Amino acid sequence: NAGVTQTPKFQVLKTGQSMTLQCAQDMNHNSMYWYRQDPGMGLRLIYYSASEGTTDKGEVPNGYNVSRLNKREFSLRLESAAPSQTSVYFCASTGSQETQYFGPGTRLLVL
Amino acid sequence: SQKIEQNSEALNIQEGKTATLTCNYTNYSPAYLQWYRQDPGRGPVFLLLIRENEKEKRKERLKVTFDTTLKQSLFHITASQPADSATYLCALTMDSNYQLIWGAGTKLIIKP
Repeated sequence: NAGVTQTPKFQVLKTGQSMTLQCAQDMNHNSMYWYRQDPGMGLRLIYYSASEGTTDKGEVPNGYNVSRLNKREFSLRLESAAPSQTSVYFCASTGSQETQYFGPGTRLLVL
Repeated sequence: SQKIEQNSEALNIQEGKTATLTCNYTNYSPAYLQWYRQDPGRGPVFLLLIRENEKEKRKERLKVTFDTTLKQSLFHITASQPADSATYLCALTMDSNYQLIWGAGTKLIIKP
């Protein structure tokens, strides 16, 4: 079991560029989440997907889009990156709507 | 809105002593509260979950208490070891949805 995997691990973008962060889980979980983590702040929810075929906005969705491609995969897209989106991005999944399992994170720097 | 507060300053503890971390929250009554450990460069890892009707939960050297009157959870690590050094996050969940609301975490440093 790989658990939750994320690609890429690191990325540097210029302002205005686009990119997609990939996330996959092999635990047959229904719910998946995208968070961002900034220094001195708690994890903030960007988008979540309670089940395959559904997505909902979290606390900080502006500037992001998501796709729940199938039960395993949940991608996060930045259409036009801004320096304010420099952060560490974590994907998580949960089967029981309680404990969350996290990926290793993607470190994104927007210049 | 719901707010969670954890000590922003690092907590330095001598090896072998008990480390106690605090998580305070305001405004709402969570259905349950969770504690996670996060090592540098890694994602959070689940440690313990405690429900609103539970006062205390234990797992090996870890103990969590939950006081819904004080709106506070305490996380204890007994017989602390340098390997326990990490950032510890608390997160709570309301009944109305299953999203977690996260504290910023407390960095724990266990000195040998």
